[in-house]
Amino acid sequence: KQEVTQIPAALSVPEGENLVLNCSFTDSAIYNLQWFRQDPGKGLTSLLLIQSSQREQTSGRLNASLDKSSGRSTLYIAASQPGDSATYLCAVRGPYNTDKLIFGTGTRLQVFP
Amino acid sequence: NAGVTQTPKFQVLKTGQSMTLQCAQDMNHNSMYWYRQDPGMGLRLIYYSASEGTTDKGEVPNGYNVSRLNKREFSLRLESAAPSQTSVYFCASRPGEWEQYFGPGTRLTVT
Repeated sequence: KQEVTQIPAALSVPEGENLVLNCSFTDSAIYNLQWFRQDPGKGLTSLLLIQSSQREQTSGRLNASLDKSSGRSTLYIAASQPGDSATYLCAVRGPYNTDKLIFGTGTRLQVFP
Repeated sequence: NAGVTQTPKFQVLKTGQSMTLQCAQDMNHNSMYWYRQDPGMGLRLIYYSASEGTTDKGEVPNGYNVSRLNKREFSLRLESAAPSQTSVYFCASRPGEWEQYFGPGTRLTVT
């Protein structure tokens, strides 16, 4: 059974720092991996989606990498800002194009001025 | 486009009461999903619908029923609410192979 773990559970950093959020999964036979952002009391917003054949995806200050063989993905946030404060969730789909996403429990990030 | 909409935003029920959570999407997506989110548990899939007229159980389906009324709408019903169903419920939809889009959630409390 696929299990997704995110470490750390919470992170507090000063503005301007570059930071890395980690996501690990137990079954490497995934179809794709998706990173989400969730603001308090809100729904999830998709940040990046990496297909199993890809190694990384970039959007602005965000870069997500995928290493299927080791069961890991990282989300890199460059030059963090207070507006980045949120919970970040990763989710994997697979194997194949199954309809089911398996979510990690998230990393709660606080960026202080 | 409104995206994925959910009603109501908040609801308080007494144990044993029933209610239906509504979800609609205007993006012409085939697949729709219902999740619940509990502290420390992440999001867990309750039911999903790969296309109009089909529904399948997810990870935690007990105590729930769903209806895919048409391509736009996917409802979640609690026939006899229990305190263990206190949670935040999210509906999502997905076009083909790509990412899922989520609604704003329904915060349900069962007393």
